[in-house]
Amino acid sequence: SYALTQAPSVSVAPGQTAVITCGGTDIGSRSVHWYQQKPGQAPVVVMSFDGDRPSGIPARFTGSTSGNTATLTINWVEAGDEADYYCQIWDDTDDVDVVFGGGTKLTV
Amino acid sequence: EVQLVESGGGLVQPGGSLRLSCVVSGFTISSNYMTWVRQAPGKGLEWVAVIYSAGTTYFGDSVKGRFTLSKDNSKNTVYLQMNSLRLEDTALYYCAGLYCSSGSCYFDSWGQGSLVTVSS
Repeated sequence: SYALTQAPSVSVAPGQTAVITCGGTDIGSRSVHWYQQKPGQAPVVVMSFDGDRPSGIPARFTGSTSGNTATLTINWVEAGDEADYYCQIWDDTDDVDVVFGGGTKLTV
Repeated sequence: EVQLVESGGGLVQPGGSLRLSCVVSGFTISSNYMTWVRQAPGKGLEWVAVIYSAGTTYFGDSVKGRFTLSKDNSKNTVYLQMNSLRLEDTALYYCAGLYCSSGSCYFDSWGQGSLVTVSS
């Protein structure tokens, strides 16, 4: 089955840029969605369909995909961005399969 | 305002059964896809199952043959029946609504989760 690979952790200083990647075979041909999960809370979508930012998500968050890598970029990182971030793809070409990456802990 | 409220979690012995409910307000499940996602303690997210608006269901490999999914459109409620529970089914179970477009879906609304603990 399809697998998504994320680095376990990323650490950045406030005001810097955080780059969170999600690797998968030819992921650029798929739609990738990203979630932010803070401790004790349910996940929240922060990026959909590769680069669409839902309402309420700051413009500091951007997303892109190319080749075997999807990327979530957070500019001007704030303390409140500290959270776990998960990428996700939907695959219904055969049976339905929903795959999450293992998650990246962003430490600010 | 969209709200998803899960209930039915608790402590169950291995091999036992449990039924989770998800009461939805703010949109009608009859025209939406609904799903369950779980998260084991300290672990990542794992998709469990989806039920389409027409009632078709699909399951993740780890729960196939043990879990079933149903809904009552009149009550705007989704049910996850979990049988033959295993220790590794211990997790917080989230009910979530899906938004789908152009052949892909993402989880656009979430409940706060219902904790299932499988232990002897």
